[in-house]
Amino acid sequence: GDSVTQMEGPVTLSEEAFLTINCTYTATGYPSLFWYVQYPGEGLQLLLKATKADDKGSNKGFEATYRKETTSFHLEKGSVQVSDSAVYFCALSSYNFNKFYFGSGTKLNVKP
Amino acid sequence: SAVISQKPSRDICQRGTSLTIQCQVDSQVTMMFWYRQQPGQSLTLIATANQGSEATYESGFVIDKFPISRPNLTFSTLTVSNMSPEDSSIYLCSVEDSITSGGAYNEQFFGPGTRLTVL
Repeated sequence: GDSVTQMEGPVTLSEEAFLTINCTYTATGYPSLFWYVQYPGEGLQLLLKATKADDKGSNKGFEATYRKETTSFHLEKGSVQVSDSAVYFCALSSYNFNKFYFGSGTKLNVKP
Repeated sequence: SAVISQKPSRDICQRGTSLTIQCQVDSQVTMMFWYRQQPGQSLTLIATANQGSEATYESGFVIDKFPISRPNLTFSTLTVSNMSPEDSSIYLCSVEDSITSGGAYNEQFFGPGTRLTVL
């Protein structure tokens, strides 16, 4: 079945460091891919999305490219800030099945 | 994008009691979903709630424990029945927003969650 695997955390970085959070997926058909962010004590917010191969989603300095050949959707940011400290979830939406599959989440801690 | 509110935002309950969580959306949506997020864990789908039909439950979740109502296109409730400490979680409501691009790619928006602690 469909699934998402993302790197385990926590990830601890210094401010202005480069961030990569790996995400790979298994899916039948052509899923949409998403990154959600959960700040402490809050619900999930959509960070970015990509709906087809080679699409790049971007928002707030974060980027992720839908790579069909490697079944990946890695999250990157060139220079993280303390305010980026949160838990990041990779997710996929199965085509026409109205189901979301979430990765296990990666906690990011950014130190000043 | 849809704006979703949940009530209550948090609650502390006694073992054996029940709690009903409300989810309100600012626009009409076809599909609403209820998730559970146990401490330090990812999200697990409990059920899908469609207006005018019975909710569809995922494996491991049953209607007697988690009854769901969906009386109209903007509102749903989830009840956590006969609670035990293992039910302590964040319960999240989400709605689907379909984006059509050569097909149907579904995006979900989440409410702020209800943080439940069972003593």
